Amino acid sequence: AQTVTQSQPEMSVQEAETVTLSCTYDTSESDYYLFWYKQPPSRQMILVIRQEAYKQQNATENRFSVNFQKAAKSFSLKISDSQLGDAAMYFCAYRTPRTGSNYQLIWGAGTKLIIKP
Amino acid sequence: GAGVSQSPSNKVTEKGKDVELRCDPISGHTALYWYRQSLGQGLEFLIYFQGNSAPDKSGLPSDRFSAERTGGSVSTLTIQRTQQEDSAVYLCASSLALDSGEAFFGQGTRLTVV
Repeated sequence: AQTVTQSQPEMSVQEAETVTLSCTYDTSESDYYLFWYKQPPSRQMILVIRQEAYKQQNATENRFSVNFQKAAKSFSLKISDSQLGDAAMYFCAYRTPRTGSNYQLIWGAGTKLIIKP
Repeated sequence: GAGVSQSPSNKVTEKGKDVELRCDPISGHTALYWYRQSLGQGLEFLIYFQGNSAPDKSGLPSDRFSAERTGGSVSTLTIQRTQQEDSAVYLCASSLALDSGEAFFGQGTRLTVV
């Protein structure tokens, strides 16, 4: 069964600095999606960045980038120039490929990111 | 609509009562998903719909849970005879299609069973 592990329950970073959140996963599939979602106190999950496993190039979205290491099954999120609005829970998620009827996202336990002003 | 809308935002209910949670997905999205998030934890997948059909109900925690979707739009998650362990945030998401990579989430319903 696929699993997603986030080993950092909480991280803190000084405003304007860079922080990296870790995520590892376990799967026997070769094709899949990986996501980072942000959940602020409003509770709404907001997609930060996504990566298709077949793409070797790391995804980037403005200040957010990933380090995707397929062989190591690692998918870390780097946030550059941290801002106060980045404070939230961050969840790593894996999406099963289109097999059978299983389309669910599998989630890590989350990392709480604290931004220090 | 502009985004996924869930109601109520918060619900407090007495143990043993039935509750109904509603999800209004983004217009045109054929796929809809329900998740449960317990305090301080990640999301637990409950069920998904393709149109009005839910092919796999094995993620529902017990037979007290049921879900339906009508008109390919609004979905309701019903919990009968609520228990304290049902207390959680219930999140709904929708996507353009089942194999669309991105799901858009609502703000969830916080259910508290007292």
